[in-house]
Amino acid sequence: GAGVSQSPRYKVTKRGQDVALRCDPISGHVSLYWYRQALGQGPEFLTYFNYEAQQDKSGLPNDRFSAERPEGSISTLTIQRTEQRDSAMYRCASSLVGRQETQYFGPGTRLLVL
Amino acid sequence: AQTVTQSQPEMSVQEAETVTLSCTYDTSENNYYLFWYKQPPSRQMILVIRQEAYKQQNATENRFSVNFQKAAKSFSLKISDSQLGDTAMYFCAFMTETSGSRLTFGEGTQLTVNP
Repeated sequence: GAGVSQSPRYKVTKRGQDVALRCDPISGHVSLYWYRQALGQGPEFLTYFNYEAQQDKSGLPNDRFSAERPEGSISTLTIQRTEQRDSAMYRCASSLVGRQETQYFGPGTRLLVL
Repeated sequence: AQTVTQSQPEMSVQEAETVTLSCTYDTSENNYYLFWYKQPPSRQMILVIRQEAYKQQNATENRFSVNFQKAAKSFSLKISDSQLGDTAMYFCAFMTETSGSRLTFGEGTQLTVNP
């Protein structure tokens, strides 16, 4: 089907607000990943799921960040009490099975915290 | 720690010429997977090519090919017959069997193709 989609594409918020970023993976893809990319740098891993199970959340920077994938399809990355340092591009990717499979990325959500 | 190094922050090439982007990585594992992704001005992240470490043959995809040197932990990308649409940031990345499916990316090389 279609590629990975993310919404919103752009989000401007004020410091202290909560934001929720959505990812819709490629149909049939079991694994879903979240990365964060600062300007001029490569993406950094945040967390990933197989089906609805969160397999690794070691890349989440602190407890203000959380992610869920309750039905094994769409995922939401939530940032509570946003700070200016959270401003970045947040990218979602999906793959077929997980290990060793190629990850296909969505267009990203650009988050700006004022 | 697993790291990826792209030592060329910026490169430029004339249209129709060939350019090579370098990438080195560090891992103690024997089985891993290497990737080049392209990020054009639209900021999409597009897979260019993939290489399995256990394969001796270098991967090719049309005008894109890699020079994989396992002993040297080097994974360079060669772009032949460069086109204006190849202008993009190129990221080298790899994944090991024990990394839990996470990709580790380099800092990127900004390639500009000049007419």
